[in-house]
Order: sequence, then structure tokens, then C-alpha cells
Amino acid sequence: KAGVTQTPRYLIKTRGQQVTLSCSPISGHRSVSWYQQTPGQGLQFLFEYFSETQRNKGNFPGRFSGRQFSNSRSEMNVSTLELGDSALYLCASSLTSGTKAQYFGPGTRLLVL
Amino acid sequence: KNQVEQSPQSLIILEGKNCTLQCNYTVSPFSNLRWYKQDTGRGPVSLTIMTFSENTKSNGRYTATLDADTKQSSLHITASQLSDSASYICVVSEKTSYDKVIFGPGTSLSVIP
Repeated sequence: KAGVTQTPRYLIKTRGQQVTLSCSPISGHRSVSWYQQTPGQGLQFLFEYFSETQRNKGNFPGRFSGRQFSNSRSEMNVSTLELGDSALYLCASSLTSGTKAQYFGPGTRLLVL
Repeated sequence: KNQVEQSPQSLIILEGKNCTLQCNYTVSPFSNLRWYKQDTGRGPVSLTIMTFSENTKSNGRYTATLDADTKQSSLHITASQLSDSASYICVVSEKTSYDKVIFGPGTSLSVIP
């Protein structure tokens, strides 16, 4: 069974631009969670989607948004990029809602210049 | 405030030696505790998951312990290998309707020949 895939793997943007990241969960998994990982803050929860509905959200500004499609694939969008948004963005999928038995993808490395 | 602390921050050991990583948490109410291994540039991979009633869980050369009374967990690595070089992250879930997770800052382990 294929694992969680994320595209693109690397991305360079400039301040003020917007970016869309994609995550394809493991086949059959209906929950996708997004995380931001930085050296200073570690891993921080962004939001979780289950069956196309946002189930819960972390403490990030409204510039960070997401959605989930009927095939469980998920996208995350960041608008008006700031230098501090440079990070590794990880998505994780699981069969059911919640964070038990999550499988992480390889991440998208975003660099904002 | 719910927090997860890990020690040491970094560790260097010789190949073949054993080591123990620590995790202390203040998360309440407690749902479960997980240890993840994260290789550089890759997503975290789950090593063990323990609930309140479990005090030991093994996965090959990795053995995790949990003392729910003192809110402490440890990850013991036996006969370390060069491939064990990675960041080890302790993750504690808060017992809420959506299983909120709090990540520890991680311990960076380097195994040298």
C-alpha cells in the first residue's frame, strides 16, 4: 500500500506570495492533518480534515487554510507569505478522525525569501 | 498549560551502546503517548504508542516505558546502530473530543562509529 505523498517536496517563494501544498493520504484513510515544523517551535498542529470537513484547528492565523476533497486528498493554502512561514509542512493521514495511528508524509520544505 | 518536555536536547553515543531518552509531560486529561523517529528531511515514523494502562511497549530494539502517575516516559534504545541517528519526538494526546496532540521538542541522537 502506498504511503502518504506530498507535493511539491521543495518550494521557494517570496514574501507576499501565496502557496498551495498538496497531500494524498494512504488509500482508505479519511483523515488528513497538517503540521508545521520549524527548528524553533518544533511540530505544531495546523488543522485536521475528515470527510471533507475541518474537525479542529490549531492556533495559526487565518492566512493558513485548507480543504479536503471527496477522494480524501487535501490541500493547504498559505496566503500573503511571511519570512516566518519558512518551515517543513507535514501532513499525516489516519483511518478515522483524531490523531491515533497517524502516518506522516515526507513533508514539503517551504522557503520564503 | 499542557506541555511536553524532553531531555537531553541532543546526545552522541558510540555504535553498539545503549541509550535512554526522557519525556516529561503535564498533559491532562491524558489519552496516549507516542514516540516518533524522524530522520533528517523526512516525516516522523511511529515507534510506539501507549495508553494509560500500559507501562511498557517494545518495537525491536526500541522499548518505551510510561509512568502515568509521575507523568514520565522513557525510550530505551539497545545496541545502537548508525541508522538510529535521528530526532526522537515524544507526543502526548490530550483526552478531548478530537484527541488534541502536544509535541515535545525532540531529542537529536547521533550514533558514531
